[in-house]
Amino acid sequence: DAGVIQSPRHEVTEMGQEVTLRCKPISGHNSLFWYRQTMMRGLELLIYFNNNVPIDDSGMPEDRFSAKMPNASFSTLKIQPSEPRDSAVYFCASIKTGSDQETQYFGPGTRLLVL
Amino acid sequence: AQSVAQPEDQVNVAEGNPLTVKCTYSVSGNPYLFWYVQYPNRGLQFLLKYITGDNLVKGSYGFEAEFNKSQTSFHLKKPSALVSDSALYFCAVRATHLNDMRFGAGTRLTVKP
Repeated sequence: DAGVIQSPRHEVTEMGQEVTLRCKPISGHNSLFWYRQTMMRGLELLIYFNNNVPIDDSGMPEDRFSAKMPNASFSTLKIQPSEPRDSAVYFCASIKTGSDQETQYFGPGTRLLVL
Repeated sequence: AQSVAQPEDQVNVAEGNPLTVKCTYSVSGNPYLFWYVQYPNRGLQFLLKYITGDNLVKGSYGFEAEFNKSQTSFHLKKPSALVSDSALYFCAVRATHLNDMRFGAGTRLTVKP
């Protein structure tokens, strides 16, 4: 299995631009998580989906952030408009709930820099 | 609510010495507990987990952790540290009836030769 796939790996953009981060979970996994990692705040859960349905988006910072999961194999995290304080590494993770594995598997992350 | 505390921002040990990275948790109900490791510019890698059964869990790279319910702890240990173990370590907890997981702030382990 290729594991969780994220794209792009690096993104540099200017303040005010729209940014879209993409994630492909592990095949057969039915829950997907978006995290943000910064030096100041550590690893934060932004939102997670179960069977493509958003379950908890209380970690989404503000209305500029939105996430979708149109099908079981694809999710996007969008920031519009982006701001310098959004600069961070964004991780996607997936899990097969109800299995005895109960382990989240993480993608390599997208390193975002907003100038 | 679920939460995890990693009381030490940094742990320094000499190569060959035993290491311990501490973790305490708070959760309603029974916990699932995890340790992950993050190397520079990489994603988090799963190390080990406690789901049920034996309180002593053995994982990858010679690491182990002990679940202590009375102390609500899940400390990560290794008998003999390697320089290559230097990384950022995260403890995480999940209540068995919930899907989302909460991570600690991370502990940076430095093993010196």
